[in-house]
Amino acid sequence: SAVISQKPSRDICQRGTSLTIQCQVDSQVTMMFWYRQQPGQSLTLIATANQGSEATYESGFVIDKFPISRPNLTFSTLTVSNMSPEDSSIYLCSVDNIFGGTRGGYTFGSGTRLTVV
Amino acid sequence: AQSVTQPDIHITVSEGASLELRCNYSYGATPYLFWYVQSPGQGLQLLLKYFSGDTLVQGIKGFEAEFKRSQSSFNLRKPSVHWSDAAEYFCAVGEGGTYKYIFGTGTRLKVLA
Repeated sequence: SAVISQKPSRDICQRGTSLTIQCQVDSQVTMMFWYRQQPGQSLTLIATANQGSEATYESGFVIDKFPISRPNLTFSTLTVSNMSPEDSSIYLCSVDNIFGGTRGGYTFGSGTRLTVV
Repeated sequence: AQSVTQPDIHITVSEGASLELRCNYSYGATPYLFWYVQSPGQGLQLLLKYFSGDTLVQGIKGFEAEFKRSQSSFNLRKPSVHWSDAAEYFCAVGEGGTYKYIFGTGTRLKVLA
């Protein structure tokens, strides 16, 4: 399975500022996924990052608020822009492990715990 | 639309006792089914997965899960719980033909010494 390095692991940010989260994968992957986990909640997919094309956002999430970059097949960033306390969450990146055409389940980064004050 | 339900928000068991965490899904065909564990302050780790074949699947850390089509369930079990198993457990379903997974709301496990 892939190994993902995600950073920062946590941050405390002032409202109105932006934070960029980075994920580095140890192998080339077509799609990377960004999730949000709000306190006490399950995981919600923000967007899918495809190399060479714009990210695909889920309902309720927009590019202006969560711009994503995917410059190559091993790296992606998610920016949380113009932050408010409601953005306080854990943000996770993930990749789908695919073996011989069969989906093997996600590998997740260790997460970024964001607190907006 | 597919969905995943984990009926138990919190479960408390004594160390050494058996464990069963419930997961029910709604999906027309045979789904991809997963269990993940999230230890405090950590990301999620895949415990086990089911695609087809034998309905009883073995995972890491001594966990197993059984797929029951008639009940639309994929319950996670462990015969003897260790204190280090205290964590949050998420069931997830992946729809064939898409790249998306739907996660349940999680079950937080507490283990008493």
